Amino acid sequence: GENVEQHPSTLSVQEGDSAVIKCTYSDSASNYFPWYKQELGKGPQLIIDIRSNVGEKKDQRIAVTLNKTAKHFSLHITETQPEDSAVYFCAATLHGDDKIIFGKGTRLHILP
Amino acid sequence: DGGITQSPKYLFRKEGQNVTLSCEQNLNHDAMYWYRQDPGQGLRLIYYSQIVNDFQKGDIAEGYSVSREKKESFPLTVTSAQKNPTAFYLCASSNPDSYEQYFGPGTRLTVT
Repeated sequence: GENVEQHPSTLSVQEGDSAVIKCTYSDSASNYFPWYKQELGKGPQLIIDIRSNVGEKKDQRIAVTLNKTAKHFSLHITETQPEDSAVYFCAATLHGDDKIIFGKGTRLHILP
Repeated sequence: DGGITQSPKYLFRKEGQNVTLSCEQNLNHDAMYWYRQDPGQGLRLIYYSQIVNDFQKGDIAEGYSVSREKKESFPLTVTSAQKNPTAFYLCASSNPDSYEQYFGPGTRLTVT
């Protein structure tokens, strides 16, 4: 089955700098890769996703890149702000599968 | 408002008691999911249901039970057989034509 590894587990970044979170997956048939943001005491929310037929996707300060050959994908947050502090989860799923496999999460701290 | 509701937000029980966590959605989604979240462990799938009156075990189903008598409701029972029930429980839903999962706010269960 699919396995998703996520690094780092904790990341501290100065406000205004960029943050990068990396994930690898094991099943080359996986074709959908979402990223979720979870604020303290709340459920995760989808912030961006990418499908396997695309190498990069951007949404304002957030971007995701996918390298299918290496089976890894990354989340990039530019010009970080205090409200970016949260736990971020990467995930992967196969087309037609009912389940999403999540990474263990990265706690992002934005330092003033 | 459309969304997923979980109640209560905090729940306390004595060891040896069964407890049922509520999950309701008004998004008209077919699929519903239950996850358990522990510090540093990410999201682990307990049970999921693609359609009314049908459900499948996830990765950590032992000690849990579910029912899906109505499309909008997917309650989770934590039985006395679950050895470490104290955790944050998240419910989610999705449609077959979309991989995105919508999460509820979660229920924090403490068993002493």
